[in-house]
Amino acid sequence: AQSVTQLDSHVSVSEGTPVLLRCNYSSSYSPSLFWYVQHPNKGLQLLLKYTSAATLVKGINGFEAEFKKSETSFHLTKPSAHMSDAAEYFCVVRNNNNDMRFGAGTRLTVKP
Amino acid sequence: GAVVSQHPSRVICKSGTSVKIECRSLDFQATTMFWYRQFPKKSLMLMATSNEGSKATYEQGVEKDKFLINHASLTLSTLTVTSAHPEDSSFYICSAKMTREQYFGPGTRLTVT
Repeated sequence: AQSVTQLDSHVSVSEGTPVLLRCNYSSSYSPSLFWYVQHPNKGLQLLLKYTSAATLVKGINGFEAEFKKSETSFHLTKPSAHMSDAAEYFCVVRNNNNDMRFGAGTRLTVKP
Repeated sequence: GAVVSQHPSRVICKSGTSVKIECRSLDFQATTMFWYRQFPKKSLMLMATSNEGSKATYEQGVEKDKFLINHASLTLSTLTVTSAHPEDSSFYICSAKMTREQYFGPGTRLTVT
């Protein structure tokens, strides 16, 4: 089965500085990968997805992620953090059965 | 876009009672729906996969007699937590599949007192 590992449980950045949230995947074939964001007491919002097209994927709110097969990584980045980006972020892989397997999550804190 | 709703958004019930949570795909038909559970400050764990008109497939460790799933139509799946206990308190999220994409509901927060 496919799986993802989010390397940091908590990341703290200052407003206006870059954001890097790390995710590594395990897959026997080219996977479909997603990043979701969850604000406190809210549902999930899809940020972006990779489905074997362009390796650099642009999402909403200025986020992007690059699929690197050689490193089995799909890290999420944003050039400049905003206070409203503070949330929980999940890296997700889609299995053969089409069910989604979530990483443990990374809590992003943005300091003023 | 595809919208998935859940009802109720919050529910408080007493220990020993049963509670039903509905998941609806509002503008598409979903042959497959998924139920997830999220503990406080934790990730989402897949509980079960349900296909319309057939029995749900439960993940290892999920009690099928406690978490009853019914996928009666292409737009509705229900999760019933039977004989609820405080340890069942959690955030339950459903998702509905349309072609290859999954769309998540807003979640239901269950508190068992």
